[in-house]
Amino acid sequence: QQQVKQSPQSLIVQKGGISIINCAYENTAFDYFPWYQQFPGKGPALLIAIRPDVSEKKEGRFTISFNKSAKQFSLHIMDSQPGDSATYFCAATDTGNQFYFGTGTSLTVIP
Amino acid sequence: DTGVSQDPRHKITKRGQNVTFRCDPISEHNRLYWYRQTLGQGPEFLTYFQNEAQLEKSRLLSDRFSAERPKGSFSTLEIQRTEQGDSAMYLCASSRRDEQFFGPGTRLTVL
Repeated sequence: QQQVKQSPQSLIVQKGGISIINCAYENTAFDYFPWYQQFPGKGPALLIAIRPDVSEKKEGRFTISFNKSAKQFSLHIMDSQPGDSATYFCAATDTGNQFYFGTGTSLTVIP
Repeated sequence: DTGVSQDPRHKITKRGQNVTFRCDPISEHNRLYWYRQTLGQGPEFLTYFQNEAQLEKSRLLSDRFSAERPKGSFSTLEIQRTEQGDSAMYLCASSRRDEQFFGPGTRLTVL
């Protein structure tokens, strides 16, 4: 059973556009929601993370929107650049002992 | 370099052989995780250590897999009697709290 469901599977965006990736979860005990960026042949790198006590967190061009009642959270990449082309994973944890990852979104930013 | 390191980066083995991977976490991180990632999927949790204690182990982890973290420093993941289905990227991550830092991974190919 997939604990965290991620969509879309792939996304193509024009340079300068907004990329939006969505995740949904069922376990209301989850209290930490990170997003990771992964380039081919590399390990995932933490981009930004949020806890349920806030509805939005922004770091540079990256914003997480969190909807606790809907059990959904999303990553927004503003002014998308070709260098942002990568695979993005959402994740969630309750105790920090085990993290559950989404299936990933392959983002392509067209120049 | 003070990041998470993994060795080897690539391993090709024949079915039935045993393999061992090593992970060196960031020095002040007491938490260490192992994940498996197959093509097009998110990292799948395998096991978690806090210092030298193995606190979580995935139910999906067969008894052919074993992990250790002697003295709470580096960790090893051993796969016995490898099968073709074990071919994957094996990722290690470490953290002090919730922010995980991933290593570059070990790519295992079982022929």
